[in-house]
Amino acid sequence: RKEVEQDPGPFNVPEGATVAFNCTYSNSASQSFFWYRQDCRKEPKLLMSVYSSGNEDGRFTAQLNRASQYISLLIRDSKLSDSATYLCVVNRRSGGYNKLIFGAGTRLAVHP
Amino acid sequence: GAVVSQHPSWVICKSGTSVKIECRSLDFQATTMFWYRQFPKQSLMLMATSNEGSKATYEQGVEKDKFLINHASLTLSTLTVTSAHPEDSSFYICSARDGISNYGYTFGSGTRLTVV
Repeated sequence: RKEVEQDPGPFNVPEGATVAFNCTYSNSASQSFFWYRQDCRKEPKLLMSVYSSGNEDGRFTAQLNRASQYISLLIRDSKLSDSATYLCVVNRRSGGYNKLIFGAGTRLAVHP
Repeated sequence: GAVVSQHPSWVICKSGTSVKIECRSLDFQATTMFWYRQFPKQSLMLMATSNEGSKATYEQGVEKDKFLINHASLTLSTLTVTSAHPEDSSFYICSARDGISNYGYTFGSGTRLTVV
């Protein structure tokens, strides 16, 4: 079983739609949580951190449930430019280092 | 903001040759550098963690003699893929702790390696 699991998608949605991505992680020692965005053949870029209290950044809302080891991302009013792969990422300490563990990503395609 | 410059962005090499990838922190000192590999439609997999002036720590299953990592200065880390084979074709990305950005990790732009 992968340490960070995501539905690979693709999610094909029209502009203006609301879409939700889910992610689960298996290591309860995970300390911090993030959503990254990765465009094709590019490096991942931090979208937002995720907290148990939930956090919102414009059209994006992220939520963490530590008890169920579940992370979500909600995108409202989808834009064409939101088309990308969204990576669920956890940070945990191992071997003396903090390490980022990436999910395989969920692909989003927003169409006109 | 913090920038990590990674070169080359893409490279094609013959089977059996070696390829060196460089990551350079431009405006901060990268004490720790992480090297990842990503195959198509798969997640970024951590290969190794390097600290300036010491030996790299490799993840399980990554051959340290094949993937040589050097982190000789606070601004430069290199990954050399030795005796490359077609199965080494992948997207290699470095990441550094920068102590500047909100979270603290800055990624290079990646290197697409194709071994023919």
